[in-house]
Amino acid sequence: EVQLVESGGGLVKPGGSLRLSCAASGFSFRSYSMAWVRQAPGKGLEWVSSISTSSSNIYYADSMKGRFTISRDNAKNSLFLQMISLRAEDTAIYYCARDNSFDHWGQGSLVTVSS
Amino acid sequence: SYELAQPPSVSVSPGQTVRITCSGDKLGDKYACWFQQKPGQSPVLVIYQDTKRPSGIPDRFSGSNSGNTATLTISGTQAMDEADYYCQAWDSTTVVFGGGTKLTVL
Repeated sequence: EVQLVESGGGLVKPGGSLRLSCAASGFSFRSYSMAWVRQAPGKGLEWVSSISTSSSNIYYADSMKGRFTISRDNAKNSLFLQMISLRAEDTAIYYCARDNSFDHWGQGSLVTVSS
Repeated sequence: SYELAQPPSVSVSPGQTVRITCSGDKLGDKYACWFQQKPGQSPVLVIYQDTKRPSGIPDRFSGSNSGNTATLTISGTQAMDEADYYCQAWDSTTVVFGGGTKLTVL
């Protein structure tokens, strides 16, 4: 069974940093591209970033470029999202998702940016 | 930047067929996916590559994509289908989601 478990969310002050993790199991992690998608409270889905199997191709939404960094560790079956210079508008549930078709999603990790 | 437009809400009676549209410039030249999200839950892929259903998705869900419009069709709609539905497509190296459609089963 495919499982994606996010962690690392929490309350952070504006301008602060946070690193999210996504632990993958139940499939060959190194064979799939991965992505982060977020959802602000009461709002729709917003793509954050995607990374290819070997990390050779990395893409970001324009509003996240320069502040967010996606990475992965295939040896540890893990996906990461480093976020800096956080703003109130970054408050959201952050989901990790498998593959370019987003065929499996984690339960999400809540990030709250507030003073 | 590329945009996908969905109606904010759609309603249907149980047992009827409902169609949810997703519009974007030359969307038919791209692959469209559809996701179902129920309150408090993570999104679930229900249609990928325009017309394909992942395993476990009932065959009352179907998709099409042509011209500027992708369509998710739910035949014989059930109360359990009440949810938010999002379309999605890749535009070169960018992922775009539609704004979502709230489906109400009356």
